[in-house]
Amino acid sequence: QVLLVESGGGVVQPGTSLRLSCAASGFTFGNYGMHWVRQAPGKGLEWVAIISSDGRVTYTADSVKGRFTISRDNSRNTLYLQMSSLKAEDTAVYYCAKRDFQQWLDYWGQGTLVTVSS
Amino acid sequence: EIVMTQSPATLSVSPGERATLSCRASESVGSSLAWYQQKPGQAPRLLIYGASTRATGIPDRFSGSGSGTEFTLIISSLQSEDFAVYYCQQYHRWPPLTFGGGTKVEIK
Repeated sequence: QVLLVESGGGVVQPGTSLRLSCAASGFTFGNYGMHWVRQAPGKGLEWVAIISSDGRVTYTADSVKGRFTISRDNSRNTLYLQMSSLKAEDTAVYYCAKRDFQQWLDYWGQGTLVTVSS
Repeated sequence: EIVMTQSPATLSVSPGERATLSCRASESVGSSLAWYQQKPGQAPRLLIYGASTRATGIPDRFSGSGSGTEFTLIISSLQSEDFAVYYCQQYHRWPPLTFGGGTKVEIK
């Protein structure tokens, strides 16, 4: 069965960096585009970034552009989100999600909490 | 960016009753609309894609309809496990993918 497991969250100070990982199994990882979606405490879902199946094409939300970078290692079946210059408003649970035939998200990880606080 | 607006924000329904949730897009998204269910402390779960196609394993009491800018999710007879927050998401024109603000379905 499809399994997505995020890791790397924690409590960090404003202005610092953090890298999230998402380990994928149960499907041919290299065949699918992948997304990061976040959810601030008590709030709704916010799309963060997408990467194509081969890693060549990426897009990020304007709210994180220039600070967050999505990448993947298909040999390790792992998705990454490199976050830098973190702000308090980046505090959220970060989910990785697999796209299906089009950009609906058919499988989600359990999420990892990032807290940006001094 | 396409703005998705869900209504109502909260829906109070008795078990066994029907729930009707709405989602409106700021411009036409065709049928490129998905619905997700999220329970407290859990990740979202895909319910519907293509506006009306149920995802694998989703009970037939969940049905989606609509196209263009107006969409509806109907839960025909609410079960205890259906009380949750529901989100719509468009994938017609991206980036960005955009989600509605959610509708919380609570027990009346």
